[in-house]
Amino acid sequence: GAGVSQSPRYKVTKRGQDVALRCDPISGHVSLYWYRQALGQGPEFLTYFNYEAQQDKSGLPNDRFSAERPEGSISTLTIQRTEQRDSAMYRCASSLGGFSGNTIYFGEGSWLTVV
Amino acid sequence: QKEVEQDPGPLSVPEGAIVSLNCTYSNSAFQYFMWYRQYSRKGPELLMYTYSSGNKEDGRFTAQVDKSSKYISLFIRDSQPSDSATYLCAMSGTSGSARQLTFGSGTQLTVLP
Repeated sequence: GAGVSQSPRYKVTKRGQDVALRCDPISGHVSLYWYRQALGQGPEFLTYFNYEAQQDKSGLPNDRFSAERPEGSISTLTIQRTEQRDSAMYRCASSLGGFSGNTIYFGEGSWLTVV
Repeated sequence: QKEVEQDPGPLSVPEGAIVSLNCTYSNSAFQYFMWYRQYSRKGPELLMYTYSSGNKEDGRFTAQVDKSSKYISLFIRDSQPSDSATYLCAMSGTSGSARQLTFGSGTQLTVLP
């Protein structure tokens, strides 16, 4: 597609529910990243993929968070048993290749509110 | 202490002013330095990209990197109201944890007409 597409744009969920956030990267982009951005802060790295392989998940805060990219294109970030502290903007980004210096393009994000 | 420190502002300047935005960092493994611009309710978009130390100019924007001082700057000349946005510095290296893009917290800029 023309840009990185994320859905849903806004999600309100009750504490304890599971949520799945979807990212459709720019066509042809090998690398896909997930970031979390709190209000008034810069994006914070969560995890990234090259093709379908999860190369680094060191930024995932705990084991309630997981991500997959089974066919090397669309990715899903899943948060199980959501807690209020999970409320944030979740941003997906993609780039042509593995990070070192390649331009990464961000989507408009999925705003998650846990009540 | 955060790896990347950025003054959050807010910064308000009159149209036509020169704007200086800055970040400091602590990880000497960082080699790639970027400035992103983020409009309200939008994702960050890459504005400037610099490898290692030195200056880079693109129109009204100039990025400077001083690796010896671990300090980077973005200058905006003849600022315009359309420059009003949050500016995020970001940086990365090629190995270990520095491979991942690390952002500053962003500086909110308003250019008044």
